[in-house]
Amino acid sequence: ETGVTQTPRHLVMGMTNKKSLKCEQHLGHNAMYWYKQSAKKPLELMFVYNFKEQTENNSVPSRFSPECPNSSHLFLHLHTLQPEDSALYLCASSQEWTAPTKAFFGQGTRLTVV
Amino acid sequence: AQTVTQSQPEMSVQEAETVTLSCTYDTSENNYYLFWYKQPPSRQMILVIRQEAYKQQNATENRFSVNFQKAAKSFSLKISDSQLGDTAMYFCAFMGGSGGSYIPTFGRGTSLIVHP
Repeated sequence: ETGVTQTPRHLVMGMTNKKSLKCEQHLGHNAMYWYKQSAKKPLELMFVYNFKEQTENNSVPSRFSPECPNSSHLFLHLHTLQPEDSALYLCASSQEWTAPTKAFFGQGTRLTVV
Repeated sequence: AQTVTQSQPEMSVQEAETVTLSCTYDTSENNYYLFWYKQPPSRQMILVIRQEAYKQQNATENRFSVNFQKAAKSFSLKISDSQLGDTAMYFCAFMGGSGGSYIPTFGRGTSLIVHP
């Protein structure tokens, strides 16, 4: 266990559904990240939050909407997704993004869009 | 922008033998950090080893060591005495301080299978 918990572990949703992914850490970290992991591709950074403020949005389509209500929780709200959005979504946290500290990852949510 | 390249999609090794995973990166920065992460079938990514670019000495962690060649921008991972539990995806990651932010950039990963 790395201290970063993601729920659900698996999610199947239709293209018209709305769902949310949740990430939680109680490591006292101030930076949280969403990554998309697709087969045979590098991990793609989607969003970065530092001290609850979004600091990076890596040209992610608006059908992905992040929310960071506090430093311990990070959500990824999903709506009207496409089949190509099927992937493993990984949440990570680090002490803060202005320091080169290691990232702690959750186990990911395996998302399938049908 | 930094890029990280892992040219070996898959590798296999016999138990107890040594295997080396390669990683190259491209950056114009002088001060940065490099990492190897392991993602076992359980999917939780964990840090294996870390190297600071300003350190000439190669990092080691038990059976894991790196060969860091700064001029060549190469950062390979050597796993000695391979164990079945080493079977996993291995990701090389770069973390630079451009603009005051350290956000890891990952390679595509190398799938390592350790055979009994």
